[in-house]
Amino acid sequence: AQKVTQAQTEISVVEKEDVTLDCVYETRDTTYYLFWYKQPPSGELVFLIRRNSFDEQNEISGRYSWNFQKSTSSFNFTITASQVVDSAVYFCALITNTGNQFYFGTGTSLTVIP
Amino acid sequence: DTGVSQNPRHKITKRGQNVTFRCDPISEHNRLYWYRQTLGQGPEFLTYFQNEAQLEKSRLLSDRFSAERPKGSFSTLEIQRTEQGDSAMYLCASSLGGGPTGEQYFGPGTRLTVT
Repeated sequence: AQKVTQAQTEISVVEKEDVTLDCVYETRDTTYYLFWYKQPPSGELVFLIRRNSFDEQNEISGRYSWNFQKSTSSFNFTITASQVVDSAVYFCALITNTGNQFYFGTGTSLTVIP
Repeated sequence: DTGVSQNPRHKITKRGQNVTFRCDPISEHNRLYWYRQTLGQGPEFLTYFQNEAQLEKSRLLSDRFSAERPKGSFSTLEIQRTEQGDSAMYLCASSLGGGPTGEQYFGPGTRLTVT
């Protein structure tokens, strides 16, 4: 069975602080894909990144970076120099190569205080 | 706007009534997904279409729920004899390609309130 755990329910940071959102996943498949989505107050989920299980290279995109570690089954997301516009709920999701459905975590609500 | 659209955005209905939601995916996307999201939870998969074929259904999708994608374009999700537990945000997503692991583009959702 597949499972995604986001243990942090809510995080508050002051603007310009760095923040890391944790994601731990479970799967027995050897080929799988991990995603991060952002859900702002408007409600529409916005794709941030996709990573396959064979690519453990960390990725940086502007102020966003992702740390994928298969040894700990984690795919953590760091926002550097947070901004008020980063306030949203962030979801980590897993899909396996043999399945057709996403498994989402319960999300982490991030509030960036000006 | 060429993204995924959903109608209506909000629906309030009385328990026992039937409701139907519509999703228009991005035009060239062959895959379409329905999810349900309740407050404080992540989206839960309901069903998935590749073109007009419904290829997978979650056990969450009781026999009161039915989804169609008649011409491989827009899709409808119908809930019959609604119950208060059906109150949720219903999300539609679409993706392009031969495999299920590509990026899914989500619509704004339809929020259903059953009174």
